[in-house]
Amino acid sequence: KNEVEQSPQNLTAQEGEFITINCSYSVGISALHWLQQHPGGGIVSLFMLSSGKKKHGRLIATINIQEKHSSLHITASHPRDSAVYICAVGVGGTSYGKLTFGQGTILTVHP
Amino acid sequence: DTEVTQTPKHLVMGMTNKKSLKCEQHMGHRAMYWYKQKAKKPPELMFVYSYEKLSINESVPSRFSPECPNSSLLNLHLHALQPEDSALYLCASSQGIYQPQHFGDGTRLSIL
Repeated sequence: KNEVEQSPQNLTAQEGEFITINCSYSVGISALHWLQQHPGGGIVSLFMLSSGKKKHGRLIATINIQEKHSSLHITASHPRDSAVYICAVGVGGTSYGKLTFGQGTILTVHP
Repeated sequence: DTEVTQTPKHLVMGMTNKKSLKCEQHMGHRAMYWYKQKAKKPPELMFVYSYEKLSINESVPSRFSPECPNSSLLNLHLHALQPEDSALYLCASSQGIYQPQHFGDGTRLSIL
């Protein structure tokens, strides 16, 4: 079992729909990251969370430390949101700096 | 435009060649990272430098040799690579090892 599990693996939506991507982890963490990767390679850091909720534009990220669960929401989705969304956790201790990644969620938003 | 610049963007090399990948950032970040990413897989951490010192080596084969000449620059020296080393190599930096990481666009490496 992977330490970081994402669901769904693939997600298709129509423009304007509300989207949720989930991430569960099995280890104690120092922080959880949501990343976006477009075709061609570049990765963008969307959020870093250690508690509560963060919002940036149409993106909202939440984390529940007790349940070891995080969600990434996209409101009013748009075709330009099509990308791979990756959840990653930092575990601290002697592994400070190391991120453990989920397998990613491939999001396709159709016009 | 990303704030972490990687060169070259593409590299094709033979198994006996020696080449280097370069990563540069001018954000004053003190932590820098190398990742390897195979198609349709998440990135795998290779090395972490903190304050120009190697702090994590994820048991990477010695044919990959990292170097951090100064706080802005990170190199990855390649020698005698294998075809399975073909991948996207990503560099990242962060203000500290507990801060969000900023990624470059990567170098797509093909080993013939």
